[in-house]
Amino acid sequence: SQQGEEDPQALSIQEGENATMNCSYKTSINNLQWYRQNSGRGLVHLILIRSNEREKHSGRLRVTLDTSKKSSSLLITASRAADTASYFCATDPTSGTYKYIFGTGTRLKVLA
Amino acid sequence: GAGVSQSPRYKVAKRGQDVALRCDPISGHVSLFWYQQALGQGPEFLTYFQNEAQLDKSGLPSDRFFAERPEGSVSTLKIQRTQKEDSAVYLCASSLVSQETQYFGPGTRLLVL
Repeated sequence: SQQGEEDPQALSIQEGENATMNCSYKTSINNLQWYRQNSGRGLVHLILIRSNEREKHSGRLRVTLDTSKKSSSLLITASRAADTASYFCATDPTSGTYKYIFGTGTRLKVLA
Repeated sequence: GAGVSQSPRYKVAKRGQDVALRCDPISGHVSLFWYQQALGQGPEFLTYFQNEAQLDKSGLPSDRFFAERPEGSVSTLKIQRTQKEDSAVYLCASSLVSQETQYFGPGTRLLVL
């Protein structure tokens, strides 16, 4: 079973607009990672944010983490057609296992 | 350096056949993960290795699934007596240590007929 849930499940925007997707999880974590997956390909790591961090930036990406609400958000600014992909969050629970848990994903489509 | 590689990229098996999927992690990476990804879903954890030690196999769906990493580098995921429900993409990922960024291979797409 998957711990994380991404919201929305699907998102369609125009090129140049911002895209925001959210991830909720259930247990305490060490860190949370966001990945991108293009159709039929492997996952590409975007950002890792640790449990003691609240916000992180990388280029056009901004990730926030609210451990009290057990949620994270990924903002992609000035989206491009090449950003079209599925986006997943993955959490590393503190329960002493190595079982990274991925969410269900948000399918983003950026229209040119 | 080279990323994570997996072979074969595609595998078609007849129900009941055994298959072996290979993963070559990034050189020097201690941690290695296997995931199963069904169509339209996120990856689901199968098993974890730290060097040659299999520290977590809680995600393996049945005793038909077996993984090994005998020398702490290349890993093989073996599925015995494949069933149709085993059809999925099998992803391998490696990281320097367990709580750091995971780097994924392209996956092996398994289709069981």
